[in-house]
Amino acid sequence: GAVVSQHPSRVICKSGTSVKIECRSLDFQATTMFWYRQFPKKSLMLMATSNEGSKATYEQGVEKDKFLINHASLTLSTLTVTSAHPEDSSFYICSGTGRGASYGYTFGSGTRLTVV
Amino acid sequence: EDKVVQSPLSLVVHEGDTVTLNCSYEVTNFRSLLWYKQEKKAPTFLFMLTSSGIEKKSGRLSSILDKKELFSILNITATQTGDSAIYLCAVEANGQFYFGTGTSLTVIP
Repeated sequence: GAVVSQHPSRVICKSGTSVKIECRSLDFQATTMFWYRQFPKKSLMLMATSNEGSKATYEQGVEKDKFLINHASLTLSTLTVTSAHPEDSSFYICSGTGRGASYGYTFGSGTRLTVV
Repeated sequence: EDKVVQSPLSLVVHEGDTVTLNCSYEVTNFRSLLWYKQEKKAPTFLFMLTSSGIEKKSGRLSSILDKKELFSILNITATQTGDSAIYLCAVEANGQFYFGTGTSLTVIP
């Protein structure tokens, strides 16, 4: 299995509101989910690593209170951008792996977040 | 500090040319190296390499890993305009991924 479904694909929100992004593994059990952010013309930046049933590990410089990650089940991990600001506008992508994953790591289709 | 470096940063070729993209790395506890193609949205998986010297092929694309010299190359033969994309290299080590900056490939007719 190797499908990760990410929703929404595109979201526009107002400053100060919160946005939740979901990543679901459809045909394997995602024991680990990576969350990335991509800035224009740049490569992916790892934000955090989440393991099912435990707290996420955040990379240096990533505010854990702002980017809330929940990985409560083997098929669902969520990233919530709280009190969004325009500088949070970016492309967010998840990547999962675990039992039943065909070739290691599978990316979701990404979420384009625009904060106005 | 663990890092992954890709070269060149960008490349423009004509259809039919052969290109070689490079990815070198310095990490501890190396586990695997992955190549992705990124067009409009999320990266598409191309290859995962774990052993030195074993070439992986998929159509016109091939890749090989050298764990002694700490690099991998991605070859694309007979390039087509549809090969235009950013090619990402990622190294799995220490329980996480380290991405390179990507190589932007443009194939012109």
